[in-house]
Amino acid sequence: AQTVTQSQPEMSVQEAETVTLSCTYDTSESDYYLFWYKQPPSRQMILVIRQEAYKQQNATENRFSVNFQKAAKSFSLKISDSQLGDAAMYFCAYITPGAGSYQLTFGKGTKLSVIP
Amino acid sequence: EPEVTQTPSHQVTQMGQEVILRCVPISNHLYFYWYRQILGQKVEFLVSFYNNEISEKSEIFDDQFSVERPDGSNFTLKIRSTKLEDSAMYFCARISSGANVLTFGAGSRLTVL
Repeated sequence: AQTVTQSQPEMSVQEAETVTLSCTYDTSESDYYLFWYKQPPSRQMILVIRQEAYKQQNATENRFSVNFQKAAKSFSLKISDSQLGDAAMYFCAYITPGAGSYQLTFGKGTKLSVIP
Repeated sequence: EPEVTQTPSHQVTQMGQEVILRCVPISNHLYFYWYRQILGQKVEFLVSFYNNEISEKSEIFDDQFSVERPDGSNFTLKIRSTKLEDSAMYFCARISSGANVLTFGAGSRLTVL
């Protein structure tokens, strides 16, 4: 079974500090994509960052970066210089794009609180 | 690219009633997806819809659910006879061309009483 595990139900970080959210996944596929989505209280799902499994270089998007360890099937999200607007649920997800299927498998999420 | 737009944003219904949730027309997209998120739980895949046909569905997507795209217009999710456990956020999503990224709509919140 394909699964995504987020072992931290809740995390907190001081404003301006750095926090790392953990994610591990299980798949037998070699070609896949990994994502972090942010869900603020409005409940909209917002893409934060994306990583292709075939790329060794870790993806970065401004204050957001990932640590992708393919052998360990680990995909953690680092948020630098945390801001109050970063407070949200964060979902790790992956997709195996085969035969036109884009079925995302999500983890259960990590609730991030930012302390002023 | 245009965002995915969903209506209604929130619907309250009585158990046993039919509900239709809509993705507002995006005529140049062929692939659509519906996901569901029960409050406090993870987002779950329901169904994918390609070229006016269901291409894949999960075990959640039982006979109570149906999807269609009548006349190439709205992409709809219908729940025939709602149950209490259907209360959830329902997200429509599309694939961003060439990027293998799902872009989600703002969601439709369904409350079944």
